[in-house]
Amino acid sequence: AQTVTQSQPEMSVQEAETVTLSCTYDTSESDYYLFWYKQPPSRQMILVIRQEAYKQQNATENRFSVNFQKAAKSFSLKISDSQLGDAAMYFCAYRTAGNQFYFGTGTSLTVIP
Amino acid sequence: DAGVTQSPTHLIKTRGQQVTLRCSPISGHKSVSWYQQVLGQGPQFIFQYYEKEERGRGNFPDRFSARQFPNYSSELNVNALLLGDSALYLCASSFPPSDARTNYGYTFGSGTRLTVV
Repeated sequence: AQTVTQSQPEMSVQEAETVTLSCTYDTSESDYYLFWYKQPPSRQMILVIRQEAYKQQNATENRFSVNFQKAAKSFSLKISDSQLGDAAMYFCAYRTAGNQFYFGTGTSLTVIP
Repeated sequence: DAGVTQSPTHLIKTRGQQVTLRCSPISGHKSVSWYQQVLGQGPQFIFQYYEKEERGRGNFPDRFSARQFPNYSSELNVNALLLGDSALYLCASSFPPSDARTNYGYTFGSGTRLTVV
């Protein structure tokens, strides 16, 4: 079974600074996708970034980037130039070949003005 | 285009009652999945439906059931409600289930907040 672990329940960052959220996972599959989702108080899960496991290059989306270490089963999210609107719960997620998602327990990010 | 629509947005039920939650997928999406998110936790997979057939089931009791209609909308039913069923229920829609090397869009709705008292 797939498991996703986020060991940081809460993180804080000064506005304009950089923060890294950690995630590890366990799987026996060779092909899969990893995701970071953001969940603001509006409750909707918003896709931040995704990484294909078969690609060695780390994904980047504007201020968001990942550090994907397949052998270590590690998938961290780096947010650069943090903005007040980045404050939210962040969930790391693993997607199986059957398109089912497994989520971590989340990291609550606070951005300090 | 409308996103994934869930109704109702909030619901209060009494222990032992039954509840039905509804989800309308994005136009063109044929697969619907349901997740339960207990306060302070990440979403947990309940069901996946594609073309009106169940394609996956998470570790939930038989009190939980779902179905998908010809227009690809879906209902999640929970019988004999327990206090522990209080949660945010999220629906997500996507194109057909895919292998790991394709990445059809997967969009979540804003959820139904169920409170069992």
